[in-house]
Parts: sequence; structure tokens; C-alpha cells
Amino acid sequence: DAKTTQPNSMESNEEEPVHLPCNHSTISGTDYIHWYRQLPSQGPEYVIHGLTSNVNNRMASLAIAEDRKSSTLILHRATLRDAAVYYCILAPKGSGNTGKLIFGQGTTLQVKP
Amino acid sequence: DAGVIQSPRHEVTEMGQEVTLRCKPISGHNSLFWYRQTMMRGLELLIYFNNNVPIDDSGMPEDRFSAKMPNASFSTLKIQPSEPRDSAVYFCASSLRSTMNTEAFFGQGTRLTVV
Repeated sequence: DAKTTQPNSMESNEEEPVHLPCNHSTISGTDYIHWYRQLPSQGPEYVIHGLTSNVNNRMASLAIAEDRKSSTLILHRATLRDAAVYYCILAPKGSGNTGKLIFGQGTTLQVKP
Repeated sequence: DAGVIQSPRHEVTEMGQEVTLRCKPISGHNSLFWYRQTMMRGLELLIYFNNNVPIDDSGMPEDRFSAKMPNASFSTLKIQPSEPRDSAVYFCASSLRSTMNTEAFFGQGTRLTVV
């Protein structure tokens, strides 16, 4: 499985944008980039995913580098509730087993009021 | 839908006892996954099922661990006999298996403490 690299931790101020980076230099052409987050004492929850183009949804935006070797999860206005561990995960396209996720250590995001 | 439902939320048991964790996936989902989370090892995939059939159990740590899915709406993870090193949070997740790489939904987890 292709590996991702994320910073261990990041800090942000409330109501400011947050850019969470992820490196995946060994990504294959058929790998989707998924982001999940885990709030304290909860199970992981899906945030967003993409293949080549940038993606937006109600929670966040995903910016994917042209060579796909890195991506950035963007929270446009961080709230205290966004404090969580954020995981960047690669999942093969068409595998169908979208819950078969290989979690790394993720990035722990702290949001300061 | 109430989401993925796991029970119990907390379980404390003595070493050597049998422990059964339960999971009800989201209705209509046909893939089910069991994960374990510890501080040392993070989140690890233990086993997953497609259409109630176990597909990959390579993550199951030992023969003491077993998982079943008798029907599309219920799965169990059993540890017999339990050991203190099995203490962890166990998560169940479900998804709709397709070629579109849709999302997986996780339950709230069962925190297991073996003393």
C-alpha cells in the first residue's frame, strides 16, 4: 500500500483557514486520496476524497497537486469543533472496499479560541 | 438511519474471560470492517466482510480473535480468552461496496479493558 506522510501536529486560531498537508510521493495512478478525521472519543468520520481534480464539499476543500504527489485539506474557517486528528489515506480506485483503510498517525489539529 | 451501532460502549472484563463485541451496520451497506485502536499502534484493520463473507482476516492478531457475520445486519467480534494486551477501542465500520470509492461510516466504538 502506498504510504502518506503528514505532520504530527498543527495549530490554528479559531475562524482562520487551516491548510493540512499530506505527501504521497508513491501514489499510483489509480489511488484515490481520502481524508478522515477523528474527534475526541469518537470514531473516524469521512471528510472528503478526490482523484485528480480539486474537490469541495460542505466540510472542506481538497487541493491535489498536479503530479498528485501531495495534497492539502483546507478548512476554510476553523472552529473549536474542528480540533481532531486528521488522516490522509490512499485507497485504490475501483477496489470497492472503501472501508479498507490503512491509517497512519495523522495530524493532530489544535484550534485556539 | 441511526448510523453504525456498536454495543456495548464500554466493557471491563477479567483476563481469561470471553468477550463479545457487537455491531449493526447501516442498512443497505454490504461491506463491514472491524478496527482496533491503541495508543501504540493507532488504528488497525482486523478483518472485513463483503456480503457477509469474510474476505481478509490477516489483521486478526491471534486465534483468540474470531469474527462472524451471520446476516447483513449483524456482526460480532469475539475474544476468547481475553488478555490485558487486548485492551483497546474497537471500531466497526460499514460501507456500500462499489467502484465509486464511497465513504465508510464508523461506529462510536467499544472501549475494552481487560484486567
